[in-house]
Amino acid sequence: DQQVKQNSPSLSVQEGRISILNCDYTNSMFDYFLWYKKYPAEGPTFLISISSIKDKNEDGRFTVFLNKSAKHLSLHIVPSQPGDSAVYFCAASHSGYALNFGKGTSLLVTP
Amino acid sequence: GAVVSQHPSRVICKSGTSVKIECRSLDFQATTMFWYRQFPKQSLMLMATSNEGSKATYEQGVEKDKFLINHASLTLSTLTVTSAHPEDSSFYICSARDTDRIYGYTFGSGTRLTVV
Repeated sequence: DQQVKQNSPSLSVQEGRISILNCDYTNSMFDYFLWYKKYPAEGPTFLISISSIKDKNEDGRFTVFLNKSAKHLSLHIVPSQPGDSAVYFCAASHSGYALNFGKGTSLLVTP
Repeated sequence: GAVVSQHPSRVICKSGTSVKIECRSLDFQATTMFWYRQFPKQSLMLMATSNEGSKATYEQGVEKDKFLINHASLTLSTLTVTSAHPEDSSFYICSARDTDRIYGYTFGSGTRLTVV
């Protein structure tokens, strides 16, 4: 069963605005969370991660928020750029085992 | 930064033949490597975890005799799809975890396998 869920298959945002991508998980053992950007026929590219002992991590235009009590995390991209258009995957791990991936959210940033 | 080289990027093979996919960590050692499979518009599904020098651990439903994994060195893991069938056509991706960084996952660029 899917332990990491991304319930929005797609999202369209105007350039310059904020993109918010959401992710929920069910396994309370997960202690590390990552976001990846992916293009068709390519491997995932790491964007940003967060440990379960934190609730926020920021790297440039990308910020990840973690709400452990709700088992929810989100990726904020501000400001969004057309080059951000891709599929974004949320992934989670516990103790360094294999990553569990969500189904991805396709982000389209329009000029 | 950490780089994982995966070859080939695309391969077409005939039904019944075998195909080998290589995954190589170029600038770090990877005791553990993971193999994933992705169907169109789907998530990356873990097939198996390989540890250098030992047998791979396969996920439920993945045939270990069909998908042979070898992790003979700290920088190289191979996946061989044996007796390929059209339903094996998919996108295969490897991931190497840096021995010195427990959450240091780096992905290869993937292999598009088409079985005709």
